[in-house]
Amino acid sequence: GESVGLHLPTLSVQEGDNSIINCAYSNSASDYFIWYKQESGKGPQFIIDIRSNMDKRQGQRVTVLLNKTVKHLSLQIAATQPGDSAVYFCAENGDSGSARQLTFGSGTQLTVLP
Amino acid sequence: DAGVIQSPRHEVTEMGQEVTLRCKPISGHDYLFWYRQTMMRGLELLIYFNNNVPIDDSGMPEDRFSAKMPNASFSTLKIQPSEPRDSAVYFCASSEQETQYFGPGTRLLVL
Repeated sequence: GESVGLHLPTLSVQEGDNSIINCAYSNSASDYFIWYKQESGKGPQFIIDIRSNMDKRQGQRVTVLLNKTVKHLSLQIAATQPGDSAVYFCAENGDSGSARQLTFGSGTQLTVLP
Repeated sequence: DAGVIQSPRHEVTEMGQEVTLRCKPISGHDYLFWYRQTMMRGLELLIYFNNNVPIDDSGMPEDRFSAKMPNASFSTLKIQPSEPRDSAVYFCASSEQETQYFGPGTRLLVL
């Protein structure tokens, strides 16, 4: 899972398997959550987002689940492909006075094994 | 749309020199953010603007850092004088709602 700090958690999965990346967020006032994918040498790329009035949202091969009771967010990637190898960040918007300001976790390194 | 554009992509300079990083946000976006990313500290927000006005600069490390947004399509982040500990990847992002879109970053190395 993901945690704020210097340690970057890692997850290795076989190509074709499903991946689940977890994130524990800190602020119960957050009402917007987002997942980014960052490949080596590139900027963070938007994957999927969810608002606090939803528990689940699906995209193409990705699903985000939100559990507000335990302040937990997860990203599920179906049929993981080599191109999914990257660092994945979750972010929330509740840690400041502005809903536009995001607070990022430290990220999880996903490695897809052939 | 070309997305957020940053220049230069790479910058190598010597300690004490002035460094200027540039950003062109996505057209129509009214928020612009500057971040710094390092292995030790992760992704840190330095400053952000709304409608060209700085809103929160509490993340700017010290007075050596300054940022401007003279118009809706251009922003600069300046470091003067630069120090080796400023070495990092600097990202610019823009948004019109909560979703922020990032540029490719400027990789800065201060020797």
